[in-house]
Amino acid sequence: AQKVTQAQTEISVVEKEDVTLDCVYETRDTTYYLFWYKQPPSGELVFLIRRNSFDEQNEISGRYSWNFQKSTSSFNFTITASQVVDSAVYFCALSDMNYGGSQGNLIFGKGTKLSVKP
Amino acid sequence: DAGVTQSPTHLIKTRGQHVTLRCSPISGHKSVSWYQQVLGQGPQFIFQYYEKEERGRGNFPDRFSARQFPNYSSELNVNALLLGDSALYLCASGPDGISGNTIYFGEGSWLTVV
Repeated sequence: AQKVTQAQTEISVVEKEDVTLDCVYETRDTTYYLFWYKQPPSGELVFLIRRNSFDEQNEISGRYSWNFQKSTSSFNFTITASQVVDSAVYFCALSDMNYGGSQGNLIFGKGTKLSVKP
Repeated sequence: DAGVTQSPTHLIKTRGQHVTLRCSPISGHKSVSWYQQVLGQGPQFIFQYYEKEERGRGNFPDRFSARQFPNYSSELNVNALLLGDSALYLCASGPDGISGNTIYFGEGSWLTVV
């Protein structure tokens, strides 16, 4: 069965600290996609990144970086020099082929609430 | 360009009532998905529609139904509301129905059932 685990329920850091959000996934498919979304208090899920299972290169976008390791089924997200505006709930999600190719079937973790204090 | 728009943003209903939630996808997107997010949990997949046809259905009772219109907008209907239906209902749109492509979410409709 497909599953996404975000073991960290809440994290609190002080501005400018680095923080890593963990994501572990389970799937029997060899082709799958992983996502991170950010959810501010307004409720909208903001897309951050998408990676496919064949691309294990780490990615950096400004202060954000992602570490994808198939060997440990993990797709961790690091924010460098955190800012107050980074405060939000962050979700990791999995999309694989077990749903007959339906695009909309993202399996989400329970999310990690990040609080960045000034 | 406008993102995914949903209406209403907030609503309160009584147990047993019916509710209709509406979604307009990003211009050019033909796929719409619906998710339910209960407080403190991640979103759970309810339905996906592509080109007006249902492409996927999550583990939700028959009280939940949806449809997609020729302009690709969509409605989610929930009958015989229960207290447990109180949640944030999120709509997402995508360019096509292909698995793994990125979908973009709206701000959601906050439903409270009393």
